[in-house]
Amino acid sequence: SAVISQKPSRDICQRGTSLTIQCQVDSQVTMMFWYRQQPGQSLTLIATANQGSEATYESGFVIDKFPISRPNLTFSTLTVSNMSPEDSSIYLCSVDISGNTGELFFGEGSRLTVL
Amino acid sequence: GENVEQHPSTLSVQEGDSAVIKCTYSDSASNYFPWYKQELGKGPQLIIDIRSNVGEKKDQRIAVTLNKTAKHFSLHITETQPEDSAVYFCAAYADSSYKLIFGSGTRLLVRP
Repeated sequence: SAVISQKPSRDICQRGTSLTIQCQVDSQVTMMFWYRQQPGQSLTLIATANQGSEATYESGFVIDKFPISRPNLTFSTLTVSNMSPEDSSIYLCSVDISGNTGELFFGEGSRLTVL
Repeated sequence: GENVEQHPSTLSVQEGDSAVIKCTYSDSASNYFPWYKQELGKGPQLIIDIRSNVGEKKDQRIAVTLNKTAKHFSLHITETQPEDSAVYFCAAYADSSYKLIFGSGTRLLVRP
């Protein structure tokens, strides 16, 4: 497994502002992913964070709204830009420590509330 | 793309009884099927998984079965305990897509 630390664990934000979520892993990993979990809902993949290149976004998610950085093999950030109440969700970082196996480990999540 | 359906959405059982959660998937290329348990305020935790070359896998009170022909897989929890109460998610993964797609979740309540 892996130890995945996310910051902040929770935050309350004002409409129109942006917030950056950090994800730190205790080992080098090739594959890192960002998921969104809206209240009472399942997990939806936002993007794959690629080290050294632009993130790969899923349908419905765009770089201007959710810019992602991946400067090295242990760290990534997700920014939620120009927030609205609809962005209130849990944002989860996950890693595939074995490469392309699908066996993902998740952080505890960052719970954002937008007023 | 892959679509994963999960049933039931809620499940209430008496302590000691068994619980079964079922999922179906659409992409025949999917070859890895994990199950996650999510407790309140926490991230999902991988509890058991199965790959497409296996029909069944057990780990103590938890078992998963896979029917590739029918494209469905199930989670079985025996001798349920109150600490099994949580939300359970199934998921499907294909090597070709590098994506883990989740089902809608099942809220399991084990009554003491």
